[in-house]
Amino acid sequence: SAVISQKPSRDICQRGTSLTIQCQVDSQVTMMFWYRQQPGQSLTLIATANQGSEATYESGFVIDKFPISRPNLTFSTLTVSNMSPEDSSIYLCSVYRGWDGELFFGEGSRLTVL
Amino acid sequence: ELKVEQNPLFLSMQEGKNYTIYCNYSTTSDRLYWYRQDPGKSLESLFVLLSNGAVKQEGRLMASLDTKARLSTLHITAAVHDLSATYFCAVDMLNILGTSGSRLTFGEGTQLTVNP
Repeated sequence: SAVISQKPSRDICQRGTSLTIQCQVDSQVTMMFWYRQQPGQSLTLIATANQGSEATYESGFVIDKFPISRPNLTFSTLTVSNMSPEDSSIYLCSVYRGWDGELFFGEGSRLTVL
Repeated sequence: ELKVEQNPLFLSMQEGKNYTIYCNYSTTSDRLYWYRQDPGKSLESLFVLLSNGAVKQEGRLMASLDTKARLSTLHITAAVHDLSATYFCAVDMLNILGTSGSRLTFGEGTQLTVNP
């Protein structure tokens, strides 16, 4: 399986601030994704992080709130901007391994907004 | 819009028993995933089912996919306590060209508790 490292693993933030989450993969991957898991809920796709171009956002998510960077084939960042308590969630990075269709997830970044 | 429904959402079973978790989805897709999540942990990949009729087995778990019925099952055989976790199915959202985009819509999850 792919080794996916996320930083930070958890953080407590104040309302109105922003936090950037990093995702590092141990091999080059074409497709990377960011998901959100709200407390006690399932996962929801935020966006596809495209290398060399802007991210593609799903309905209900916008770039101003969740700016994403993808500078190369092994790294991506997700920023949660102007946070409110409703942003308290686990944010997970996911990568697609094309040859067998597998999709792997990082350990997640647990964010609490006070 | 793709909708994915799992049932049951909560399952309490005794060790040694068999049970099946169902995953229904609303629009065409030919790729389905099953994941396991332990409390406070990330998702562990269990199975990826890539075609109609696909069946995969690992230990006490077996997954199948019927794309015509838009249904996948996760069958648990002779459950043991270590299988206690939340199980998610996730369906690939096809892109505008009707091909796989590797973007997943998740079911609500089935919280499984196996009692001694």
